[in-house]
Amino acid sequence: KAGVTQTPRYLIKTRGQQVTLSCSPISGHRSVSWYQQTPGQGLQFLFEYFSETQRNKGNFPGRFSGRQFSNSRSEMNVSTLELGDSALYLCASQTGHHINTEAFFGQGTRLTVV
Amino acid sequence: GEDVEQSLFLSVREGDSSVINCTYTDSSSTYLYWYKQEPGAGLQLLTYIFSNMDMKQDQRLTVLLNKKDKHLSLRIADTQTGDSAIYFCAESIERAGNMLTFGGGTRLMVKP
Repeated sequence: KAGVTQTPRYLIKTRGQQVTLSCSPISGHRSVSWYQQTPGQGLQFLFEYFSETQRNKGNFPGRFSGRQFSNSRSEMNVSTLELGDSALYLCASQTGHHINTEAFFGQGTRLTVV
Repeated sequence: GEDVEQSLFLSVREGDSSVINCTYTDSSSTYLYWYKQEPGAGLQLLTYIFSNMDMKQDQRLTVLLNKKDKHLSLRIADTQTGDSAIYFCAESIERAGNMLTFGGGTRLMVKP
């Protein structure tokens, strides 16, 4: 059974640009959550998608957005990149929403903003 | 509010037991998790415990939960150098769906 796949693994962008990250959950999982990991703030929840709908959102500005497709794959987008957006972005795959089951994480996308 | 705290650093000798501690504040936690992160990698789920349990054992790992004190611990028996990593505890609460609130992580260093 394939795990959670995040692409790309590494990305370098310039301030002001936008970026799109992709996450393919484990087959059969319908919930995808996104997290930002930085040395200063640790792991912070961005948002969760289930059945193509955003179900929960963390405390991030509107520049951070996401979506989920009918095959449960999810993308997150960050517009007008700032230096502080440099981080490891992790996605988590779970079977459903409001079911507190195991959350499996991908390897992450390392975004560097210069 | 939700707040999860861990000590920053733990150093042990190979073969000893490691105990990593975590405290949380939200009494409505439903599941509590332990994740391991190696350098440059994502998060590996080690184990989890439901909030109505006191203990869970899984091979070398033992999780203890004290709901009264809101204290969670992870004991690793016979710690090996391959156990060197950052360990995160996380909680989920029913009203927040699948959102996990993580502690800051404990860096475990295992000396040969």
